[in-house]
Amino acid sequence: QVRLLESGGGVVQPGGSLRLSCAASGFTFSTYGMHWVRQAPGKGLEWVSFIRYDGSKKYYADSVTGRFTISRDNSNNTLYLQMNGLRAEDTAVYYCASYSYVSDAFDIWGQGTLVTVSS
Amino acid sequence: QSVLTQPPSVSGAPGQRVTFSCTGSSSNIGAGYEAHWYQQLPGTAPKLLIYGTNNRPSGVPDRFSGSKSGTSASLTITGLQAEDEANYYCQSYDSSLSGWVFGGGTKLTVL
Repeated sequence: QVRLLESGGGVVQPGGSLRLSCAASGFTFSTYGMHWVRQAPGKGLEWVSFIRYDGSKKYYADSVTGRFTISRDNSNNTLYLQMNGLRAEDTAVYYCASYSYVSDAFDIWGQGTLVTVSS
Repeated sequence: QSVLTQPPSVSGAPGQRVTFSCTGSSSNIGAGYEAHWYQQLPGTAPKLLIYGTNNRPSGVPDRFSGSKSGTSASLTITGLQAEDEANYYCQSYDSSLSGWVFGGGTKLTVL
């Protein structure tokens, strides 16, 4: 069964750090690009970051550039998002999603993990 | 303000046909980048509904279809059902932003 499972969310103070993980199973993780997408409470979807299947290229939304770092461990089928300098506006459910080079779409989504930035 | 513009809400009665619009620009849909659609049921993660303008992943009913023209894309649902009530998002790539973009989403209410 194809599955993505995020973890690592929680409550953190402004300026703090958090690392999210996304465990993949049921597909060949090392052949898929991976995205992080977030959704603030009651709001729409916002793309956050992308990493190529081999980790050779990384892309970030302007809103997180310089503060967030995406990485992956293909030997352990896991995607990461290191978030530093967190702000109140980073409060959101964070989803990982696989990118299919065939469909060009975000084809599999995890269930999400909630990050709350508050003092 | 989303790069892709979607109306906030759409409604229809069971059995009817509804259409969702997604308006982009010359740096995304108009540049030839694909438009994709996602369905987000209440309290759940988004799910890929239509990819590459008008292709359905396995398991998506053929009541759902897409199209693209110029700088815009559309999603159509025929034979509307109560379980279609959800938020629908369009998505593409934007060359000016060098990143992936979503529309603000359209909430479908089944009357």
